[in-house]
Amino acid sequence: EVQLVESGGGLVQPGGSLRLSCAASGFTFSIYSMNWVRQAPGKGLEWVSYISESSSTIFYADSVKGRFTISRDNAENSLYLQMNSLRDEDTAVYYCARAESMRELVPWGQGTLVTVSS
Amino acid sequence: DIQMTQSPSSLSASVGDRVTITCRASQSISSYLYWYQQKSGKAPKLLIYVASSLQSGVPSRFSGSGSGTDFTLTISSLQPEDFATYYCQQSYSMPWTFGQGTKVEIK
Repeated sequence: EVQLVESGGGLVQPGGSLRLSCAASGFTFSIYSMNWVRQAPGKGLEWVSYISESSSTIFYADSVKGRFTISRDNAENSLYLQMNSLRDEDTAVYYCARAESMRELVPWGQGTLVTVSS
Repeated sequence: DIQMTQSPSSLSASVGDRVTITCRASQSISSYLYWYQQKSGKAPKLLIYVASSLQSGVPSRFSGSGSGTDFTLTISSLQPEDFATYYCQQSYSMPWTFGQGTKVEIK
């Protein structure tokens, strides 16, 4: 079964850091590009970051550029999001999602909640 | 950035109704348009990819159409399990962007 499981969320103070992980199983992780998408409480979906299969191509939303870093370890079947200089507005559920051949996002993980608050 | 605008933002419908949700892109996105369903507290689920292709396992009452800037998601006969929020999304160019969502509620 294809599965993505996020972890690492929690409560952090403004200005703090957090590292999210996404463990992949049931497919050949190294041949797929991956993404992070977030959803603030009661709000819509916001794409955050993309990383290609070999990590050679990376994109970020303007809202996180310079503060967040996406990475992956194909040997460990894992995706990461290092989040620094966190702000109140980064409070959200963070989902990892695989990008298929036609750029569709499937599947998605169950999400991990990040709360930025003093 | 490409802006995605969905309409309506919410709608009330009855079981068995035909429901149509529209999505407009601020510039042409060819067919790089996707539809997702999200139920409360759950992760989004892919319904339609490249505008009109039905994702495996998704009931045939869901269909998508359109190209360029105007797209439509249709539910031919609304079922109780279809009450949810629906999002369109473009993957034509970075940054990938989502519509604001359409909440489908029970009338």
